[in-house]
Formats: sequence, structure tokens, C-alpha cells
Amino acid sequence: QSVLTQPPSVSGAPGQRVTISCTGGSSNIGAGFDVHWFRQLPGTAPKLLIYGNNNRPSGVPDRFSGSKSGTSASLAITGLQVEDEADYYCQTYDVSLSAYVFGSGTKVTVL
Amino acid sequence: HVQLQQSGPGLVKPSQTLSLTCAISGDSVSNNNAAWHWIRQSPSRGLEWLGRTYYRSEWKDDYAVSVKSRISISPDTSKNQFSLQLNSVTPEDTAVYYCARTSYYDSGTYAINYWGQGALVTVSS
Repeated sequence: QSVLTQPPSVSGAPGQRVTISCTGGSSNIGAGFDVHWFRQLPGTAPKLLIYGNNNRPSGVPDRFSGSKSGTSASLAITGLQVEDEADYYCQTYDVSLSAYVFGSGTKVTVL
Repeated sequence: HVQLQQSGPGLVKPSQTLSLTCAISGDSVSNNNAAWHWIRQSPSRGLEWLGRTYYRSEWKDDYAVSVKSRISISPDTSKNQFSLQLNSVTPEDTAVYYCARTSYYDSGTYAINYWGQGALVTVSS
């Protein structure tokens, strides 16, 4: 099982807002390590969506935002669009494991 | 624009060595602000970080505990690439393998910002 826990799926209608949680612990998110978010379309590599908890790389729409508090982080998607259907993963560093760790992944479905 | 191009066999027999190479264009494997990773993905294990190599006045590497006894990641500066060797593979090592780069952002963090195309490696006799 993954070190970082995400809900298996979230869904919303076009235009709605959805959030994806990422729950870690005291050796990763709670230890102050930055959280990054990735989006993965079927058959392709993950793509960086949010870095450093709440920063968007060039080209990522401002509909995507990230936050972090305590041992958890969240990704919010506002104005949900059909093309947002994908798998989303959080990622950080774990000092106890001395390893990069990923979340279990969340499938976003647009109803 | 950075590109990572993976190559290597898609089928490996149990107990043998899995070998993959990641050719870098648009950056240098010796970049002092980057690190070069191997990550795999399978339905049973999800995304799993395997290890990294990076240059900070000297070459360094780190590996996941789960594979530490049988993994090696090494740079090849003459070809501007890096490689993965995973020994004594079993069917549990069947996965899509990705090479990737982390680099430094002004916000003070390192993030994985480029990935190879991915390669399915099946361990089977």
C-alpha cells in the first residue's frame, strides 16, 4: 500500500469544483517536505501539474491549485472540464524511507 | 526542451538482469541542479520510485530500500545518458519503467518535471 493515501475516485459535473486529498504522516508531508501533483492520461507518463505545494508550471491553467496543511495536501480543480478526466497522483519525500513516495492515485470522472 | 528517450528489452527471464537506458537531450546528465531517476508503475504497486543518480562535485546515488540489494543506476557522460540495472528479477518486477528528471525551482523545491515515454518490461520465462 502507498505511503500517501488518496481517494480512489472523485467525480463532478462540468463546471463544478472537485478536490483530491493526499494524506501522509510525520515522516513525509508532516516533516515539511513539499508536495507535488501529477496528472496521467492512459498510456502516457505522468505530467507535473503542481510543484512545491501550490505552484503551477508554465502552461497549467489556473483552474488547478494546491494546498498543504499539517500531514495532508489537496489538489483542487475548478471549472471541471471533460479533458480533466485522468488519474491524479501526489508525491513527496519520506525521510524515514529515504525515498520519493507517491500517492495511491485518484481517478477523476466528469459526469 | 528536455527529452528523455528510453530503450531496452521488453521481456526478461526470471533471475536475469533487467537493463534499461535513458538518453538525454536538451540537458546534461552532469547538471549540478538536476537528478536522474528511475520509477516504475504496476497495478499492484502503483508508482514506485526506484532510485536516482546525480552530480554534486562528485557522483552520488540513492536507492529504494525495496530494491537496494539488487539495483544500480549509473551515468554515462560520454553518451549523455543514464542506465538502470535490476538483478535477479522475478515476475513481481513486471511493470512500466520510466526514467525521469528532477530539477530545482526558484520556489526552493526540486520536482520531477520530465519523464521518459515509459517501457513495459515483462518478467517471464
